[in-house]
Amino acid sequence: GAVVSQHPSWVICKSGTSVKIECRSLDFQATTMFWYRQFPKQSLMLMATSNEGSKATYEQGVEKDKFLINHASLTLSTLTVTSAHPEDSSFYICSAPLGTSALWGTTGELFFGEGSRLTVL
Amino acid sequence: DAKTTQPNSMESNEEEPVHLPCNHSTISGTDYIHWYRQLPSQGPEYVIHGLTSNVNNRMASLAIAEDRKSSTLILHRATLRDAAVYYCILRNYGGSQGNLIFGKGTKLSVKP
Repeated sequence: GAVVSQHPSWVICKSGTSVKIECRSLDFQATTMFWYRQFPKQSLMLMATSNEGSKATYEQGVEKDKFLINHASLTLSTLTVTSAHPEDSSFYICSAPLGTSALWGTTGELFFGEGSRLTVL
Repeated sequence: DAKTTQPNSMESNEEEPVHLPCNHSTISGTDYIHWYRQLPSQGPEYVIHGLTSNVNNRMASLAIAEDRKSSTLILHRATLRDAAVYYCILRNYGGSQGNLIFGKGTKLSVKP
């Protein structure tokens, strides 16, 4: 099956610094990638939809200036948490479908990365 | 997307079958039923999906009620590795967003 990889798997940073998380589709091209956030003992919450070559679409309540998303190529999307604070500590997970965002629903499968655990001190 | 309802947790013994229920009474005719699972400290992984007919794959079986208002994920022989949170999600055919909206899921514990 298709593989989505994230880097880093975990990161610890000081409050006020910025952290970049990469999401790569290793064996397929992803025009769309989704970024989720998961707090301890909670479910995944969609943060934004990343589209190659265009601006990301953010969910309500997610600050686009704080969570910068760049989808510069068909295999790479990055999430940068700017001026991170302890409340941003979370498990960040990206995912990608095969095909376009409108068509993948008929095939069913969304491929997820391993997740990146961010701890802000 | 329509909502789903799942039990918060379930327990199973190793090598026994497990039936994980999901209610989706407001499902529409074009909603696919998806199941994903998330092992501890990992991203979710696809398990199975279906529309109307029962489905089988190497991981599990999906039994869909005739009225499609409920479904059951069946793990035929639970292993310790199957301990995870299982999410039942409805995904609308042709929906423009393409994402999955996760509920709370069912935490499955498997006892040796």
